[in-house]
Amino acid sequence: QTVVTQEPSLTVSPGGTVTLTCASSTGAVTSGYYPNWFQQKPGQAPRALIYSTSNKHSWTPARFSGSLLGGKAALTLSGVQPEDEAEYYCLLYYGGAQPSWVFGGGTKLTVL
Amino acid sequence: QVQLQESGPGLVKPSQTLSLTCTVSGGSISSGSYYWSWIRQPAGKGLEWIGRIYTSGSTNYNPSLKSRVTISVDTSKNQFSLKLSSVTAADTAVYYCAREVLMPEVDAFDIWGQGTMVTVSS
Repeated sequence: QTVVTQEPSLTVSPGGTVTLTCASSTGAVTSGYYPNWFQQKPGQAPRALIYSTSNKHSWTPARFSGSLLGGKAALTLSGVQPEDEAEYYCLLYYGGAQPSWVFGGGTKLTVL
Repeated sequence: QVQLQESGPGLVKPSQTLSLTCTVSGGSISSGSYYWSWIRQPAGKGLEWIGRIYTSGSTNYNPSLKSRVTISVDTSKNQFSLKLSSVTAADTAVYYCAREVLMPEVDAFDIWGQGTMVTVSS
């Protein structure tokens, strides 16, 4: 069973910078895993932020960026705003004979 | 712009089949290179990808649910559907539908429905 691992929780000060990571139990995450990142606030549906490692949607604030870092997918928030407090999920693609997507467990980001 | 809306019974009895529909508005379900996915989230827990269907009708499923899941598409109604058989309380969750866009070297989830709560209980 493939497991995608994220930090359970992180805390950042307003205006600060924080990096969330996403690791795969199968080994290093590469661009071929097409990492997607989502933000979810309580009572709301997830909102897409980043696709295919580092691409932003038209609605994604500039302070959000995606990358590959040390064998993991990463989401960096620069100049964090109070409204960035939310749960963040990564999603990785596993190709092959039976393609599937696997979500990470999510990172609860607190802005304090 | 394209919007997705889930619909279906909010209460299903154990051992029965859960059936949900996602209606696509603002665009054709069969135009472009899209997969249409189902994702669920138990209360207070994380997201779980259930499966997807391509505009051609080909499907992929989460291996852990594959034996119980069927996803289908009705292009005439601009809808795609989820059936999950032999449900138990563990299938109680908010169910979301979402669109996955395929482009050269790119694979993007972009649009999500608002979600629908399904409770499995007698």
